[in-house]
Amino acid sequence: AQSVTQLDSHVSVSEGTPVLLRCNYSSSYSPSLFWYVQHPNKGLQLLLKYTSAATLVKGINGFEAEFKKSETSFHLTKPSAHMSDAAEYFCVVSDGTNAGKSTFGDGTTLTVKP
Amino acid sequence: EPEVTQTPSHQVTQMGQEVILRCVPISNHLYFYWYRQILGQKVEFLVSFYNNEISEKSEIFDDQFSVERPDGSNFTLKIRSTKLEDSAMYFCASSETVGQMYTEAFFGQGTRLTVV
Repeated sequence: AQSVTQLDSHVSVSEGTPVLLRCNYSSSYSPSLFWYVQHPNKGLQLLLKYTSAATLVKGINGFEAEFKKSETSFHLTKPSAHMSDAAEYFCVVSDGTNAGKSTFGDGTTLTVKP
Repeated sequence: EPEVTQTPSHQVTQMGQEVILRCVPISNHLYFYWYRQILGQKVEFLVSFYNNEISEKSEIFDDQFSVERPDGSNFTLKIRSTKLEDSAMYFCASSETVGQMYTEAFFGQGTRLTVV
């Protein structure tokens, strides 16, 4: 069984300050982990993924995430927030055994203040 | 860049009517999925489809739902008799595998279904 918990439903930062969106996962197998972003009235866009290669993963738009097996975490970070980063972010886990079935976290709404 | 396309972007239907949501997955992908997101809630898995049959389905995917790959390029989700609670954003996704590794799913823009 697989599950994912996004620890913050809302995060608010000022433009130019760091972003941290937290995600913990549970999986019976070696998981693949993803972060997706959803802008208002838009579809889901893949930010980055972890699939058992390097534990520090770099994604698009300056985002990165670190896979920490001992902490079962996959937190998303960005050094400096931009107004365009305001969106809903989803942490997703797939253990690769169920024909790619993914389990989504509840989502974190990121607000960026000018 | 290849993408998953979904049509229509917004569908309004009367309760009890049948609705078909359409998706064109990425051409070399072999695994197809439907997810839904009720307004204000999380994205939920509905069904996965591989080799012309359902691989897995959730408890949400009851007899009112069906999926089909009618012509080798489209992938459809049919709801036979819509209920008010079927109102949601429906996402189609597709993926490929490399050996035993699952690659990321590419998601479409979604179809917003409103049942009135």
